Amino acid sequence: AQTVTQSQPEMSVQEAETVTLSCTYDTSESDYYLFWYKQPPSRQMILVIRQEAYKQQNATENRFSVNFQKAAKSFSLKISDSQLGDAAMYFCAYRSGNSGYALNFGKGTSLLVTP
Amino acid sequence: EPEVTQTPSHQVTQMGQEVILRCVPISNHLYFYWYRQILGQKVEFLVSFYNNEISEKSEIFDDQFSVERPDGSNFTLKIRSTKLEDSAMYFCASSDRGTAYGYTFGSGTRLTVV
Repeated sequence: AQTVTQSQPEMSVQEAETVTLSCTYDTSESDYYLFWYKQPPSRQMILVIRQEAYKQQNATENRFSVNFQKAAKSFSLKISDSQLGDAAMYFCAYRSGNSGYALNFGKGTSLLVTP
Repeated sequence: EPEVTQTPSHQVTQMGQEVILRCVPISNHLYFYWYRQILGQKVEFLVSFYNNEISEKSEIFDDQFSVERPDGSNFTLKIRSTKLEDSAMYFCASSDRGTAYGYTFGSGTRLTVV
């Protein structure tokens, strides 16, 4: 089974600054998808950004971007111009491209944004 | 924007009782899922459902659990005899067939077993 590791239980960033959340994964597959989900205090899971493994170009969604290093099996999330509303738990997730649609989540990183 | 709707938002039940958690997926989605999140832990996959049958399930999804799509809109998770360790947030999600774009999650049902 694929393992998703988020090594930073907590991170802190000042408003307007940039922060990077790390995620590594273990897989023998070549076809897969990676996601970052945000979980605010309301506990709803909100998709932040996604990346297909076959795409070399890093995904970008407004202030959110990823650094996808396929060989290193690394998928970090960069949040630019951090806002107070970015404070949440962030989960990295893996989905196989070959065997089912289940998402395999990491343990999450709690992001605190300070004024 | 289409939403996945879950009811109730919070349910308290006594140990040993049966509970049914309800979800209304996005109308044109074909794949449906249940996940759970024990407080302070990661989100865990329970089961996926397609074409009126289970397509994939995890080790957590034992005989105590069942899923059903009783009509064209609802998707339910039943826990037959709840245990204290079933206390968790349960998320329903749905996705379009073959999508590479993740799912849409509902807001969750907080289940408390006392």
